[in-house]
Formats: sequence, C-alpha cells, structure tokens
Amino acid sequence: SQQGEEDPQALSIQEGENATMNCSYKTSINNLQWYRQNSGRGLVHLILIRSNEREKHSGRLRVTLDTSKKSSSLLITASRAADTASYFCATDAGGGQNFVFGPGTRLSVLP
Amino acid sequence: DAMVIQNPRYQVTQFGKPVTLSCSQTLNHNVMYWYQQKSSQAPKLLFHYYDKDFNNEADTPDNFQSRRPNTSFCFLDIRSPGLGDAAMYLCATSRISGEQFFGPGTRLTVL
Repeated sequence: SQQGEEDPQALSIQEGENATMNCSYKTSINNLQWYRQNSGRGLVHLILIRSNEREKHSGRLRVTLDTSKKSSSLLITASRAADTASYFCATDAGGGQNFVFGPGTRLSVLP
Repeated sequence: DAMVIQNPRYQVTQFGKPVTLSCSQTLNHNVMYWYQQKSSQAPKLLFHYYDKDFNNEADTPDNFQSRRPNTSFCFLDIRSPGLGDAAMYLCATSRISGEQFFGPGTRLTVL
C-alpha cells in the first residue's frame, strides 16, 4: 500500500497564480518532506516538516501538516515558468529511514 | 561543493549481463539510499544503509544487491538485468531523519 498520495496528479496554471498540491498518507510519521524534480533530473529537497509542526515557510513555498487528517499541502505563491516540474511528498512511514514517495503532481506554469 | 555524485550518468547493458552503478558523497552523511524510478512514476526505495547497517525493502527483488565499503561510496549491483529493470536509478544521502540529497541519477537501458 502506498504511504503517500498526491492530488491533483497534474495541474496547469498561468504564471503569477498560486499552485496548491495535497498529499495524504496512511501511517504515523516523524516527518514529511516535499521534493521537486525537473524532467530527467534528480530530486531537489524543498521543505521538511516534522510531525509536531503545523506550518513552514520557505520563500514562496508554504507547507502545512495536519496529522489528525494525515495530510499535507504545498502552496507555491506567485508561480513562475521555472516552477514547472513534478512535486513529490515523501514520508518516513513510522520513523525509520524507509521513505515512501507519493505519485507526484506534475505542475505546468504557462507564461 | 559538497554533493552526491553518480556514475555513470547513462548505462547500457544487455539482458542478463551484470551491471554496477556507483554513488559517492562528500556530505559525510551516515544514511545512503538507492531508489528506482520508472518513467512518470515516483521513486521507489530499494534499500538503504544506516552506516554499515543494510536495510532491504521487503519487495526489492533478489536481483538487486548493494555494497557500502565506506562512508563515501555505495554501489548498486544488478546481477541479471531484465527488460523491466530499465529505469532511472537515484542515489540519495541524509543525516538520520533529515532531508535527502539526491544525485543526478543513472539512466539504465537494457537491450
């Protein structure tokens, strides 16, 4: 069973708009991480949020975590064409190092 | 610059011919991971090392093996590659329960 699942699977927006992606998971976690992947490249870490945190910001990124609903959201404000990428959430499935990635959201930001 | 390096970036092998992918890090992280990522899918954890302790995912085929001779290096051995093993293989490192730093990946083609 998949630990993390994102929605939507694909999102297309205009430059300047905000993009929101959601992630749901099934078991308890120590932390949840968001990553970006440009086509054919390795993953880049965006934000790590711990289970005792509810919100974190980094530049134009805002991540929330609701452990009661086992869900997280990633908000990208004032999107740019360079934000076009796939975004994945990853959870540590109970506190070990066995990270499970969700299927990802493919974001397209149109100029 | 501290980083995660993967060699080669592209590897072509023949069906059934053993292949080894390598990963090195200059971050001195104690955890190293190997992921398999197929086209348009999420990375799937194959195994990870916490220092010298090897942790195999339950559904990782026996065809996949790994070695970590020291802190800096980790190898992925595919003993008898099949057509279904064609994928991007991603190496990552982290401190315990920390963010993961990914290498650029090795794209494996099986003929």
